[in-house]
Amino acid sequence: DGGITQSPKYLFRKEGQNVTLSCEQNLNHDAMYWYRQDPGQGLRLIYYSQIVNDFQKGDIAEGYSVSREKKESFPLTVTSAQKNPTAFYLCASSIFKTGNQPQHFGDGTRLSIL
Amino acid sequence: AQSVTQLDSQVPVFEEAPVELRCNYSSSVSVYLFWYVQYPNQGLQLLLKYLSGSTLVKGINGFEAEFNKSQTSFHLRKPSVHISDTAEYFCAVSDIYGGSQGNLIFGKGTKLSVKP
Repeated sequence: DGGITQSPKYLFRKEGQNVTLSCEQNLNHDAMYWYRQDPGQGLRLIYYSQIVNDFQKGDIAEGYSVSREKKESFPLTVTSAQKNPTAFYLCASSIFKTGNQPQHFGDGTRLSIL
Repeated sequence: AQSVTQLDSQVPVFEEAPVELRCNYSSSVSVYLFWYVQYPNQGLQLLLKYLSGSTLVKGINGFEAEFNKSQTSFHLRKPSVHISDTAEYFCAVSDIYGGSQGNLIFGKGTKLSVKP
């Protein structure tokens, strides 16, 4: 079955450490997205990518970085500059980055501070 | 900038009762509208979408929503809920035109709790 796989499901970060969240899709979608979800806050866009080797900042990009070297992969690095990284992180994809294309979501990675 | 307001953060309801989850968006420009459902510790699943045409949209699991342009609303309804509908529901909007098209703006979510 086609879908989006996020790993790991749970991740713990030590102070001053960078951690990388994996997102892989086999839907052959061009566009991919990373969201942060905090309780009672909805989803906020961190980064998005419309095509390989291109990505754009979303609303809360500070303290995060991404890469898009392959169509199917869009890893997110939470850097030590992100002072409040504890959250649920969701990766999504869509056929194209147009408003009428629904986004498909992975099952998320929950990041906590040790 | 576009914003989405979900008027109720929590909605408790008894099984087999009807439910309405309310959603209003800020901009009167042309938009696409979506409702997603999230079960605990999972990602979001698309319930339904409004792109154009009939203002009454039917989705999965017996849900439907009505687009009201004059009131900038997109309320979600189900005539008879089940225990399995207990989840968090998110309304989202995307501008049709402009540089932000394709970016989804989400409401803060409504937790539906169905009691036996």
